[in-house]
Amino acid sequence: ELKVEQNPLFLSMQEGKNYTIYCNYSTTSDRLYWYRQDPGKSLESLFVLLSNGAVKQEGRLMASLDTKARLSTLHITAAVHDLSATYFCAVAPISGAGSYQLTFGKGTKLSVIP
Amino acid sequence: SAVISQKPSRDICQRGTSLTIQCQVDSQVTMMFWYRQQPGQSLTLIATANQGSEATYESGFVIDKFPISRPNLTFSTLTVSNMSPEDSSIYLCSVKPLGFRPSNEQFFGPGTRLTVL
Repeated sequence: ELKVEQNPLFLSMQEGKNYTIYCNYSTTSDRLYWYRQDPGKSLESLFVLLSNGAVKQEGRLMASLDTKARLSTLHITAAVHDLSATYFCAVAPISGAGSYQLTFGKGTKLSVIP
Repeated sequence: SAVISQKPSRDICQRGTSLTIQCQVDSQVTMMFWYRQQPGQSLTLIATANQGSEATYESGFVIDKFPISRPNLTFSTLTVSNMSPEDSSIYLCSVKPLGFRPSNEQFFGPGTRLTVL
């Protein structure tokens, strides 16, 4: 059974600071996804990471994947209030039968304080 | 990406009743999924809606409680049957667009917020 662990689950940070959210998963995977969810809203796709060493950046967010360590990170640079949201990582099993089924982490609720 | 709509967006229902949630996509998609997000929790996959055949349910979810239909490549329904307060959640459909994409990325609908009294 694929398990996905995120930490921290809650993160309160000041504007302008940097921080990293971690996503560990339990079995081999070749696809990892990061989503953002604002309160009362659906999920917005942020990043798709497909290979070991993959790094993607969008604005103040940068995601990376280490498939050997089964670890992905979401790094926040110089946080601003607009980044306040809940961030989920999700993992799909290695390509094959059932490989579309996503297992989500519990989410990291980020609050950026002025 | 696909544009996905869900109806209703929210509802308040009485215990013992059933609610059918619709998911409509603006383009044909290969796969449609139904997820549940309980208050303050993460997302849990309920089932994969298969076009032209019975849905595939995940462990802990059964067809009698969550019947699913998918009559074509752009539409699916999820029914929450004989509801209890524990069914209060956000129900989201997601889709995998038609065509090969290495990412197998899924896109999510806006969700249906269900409260059961």
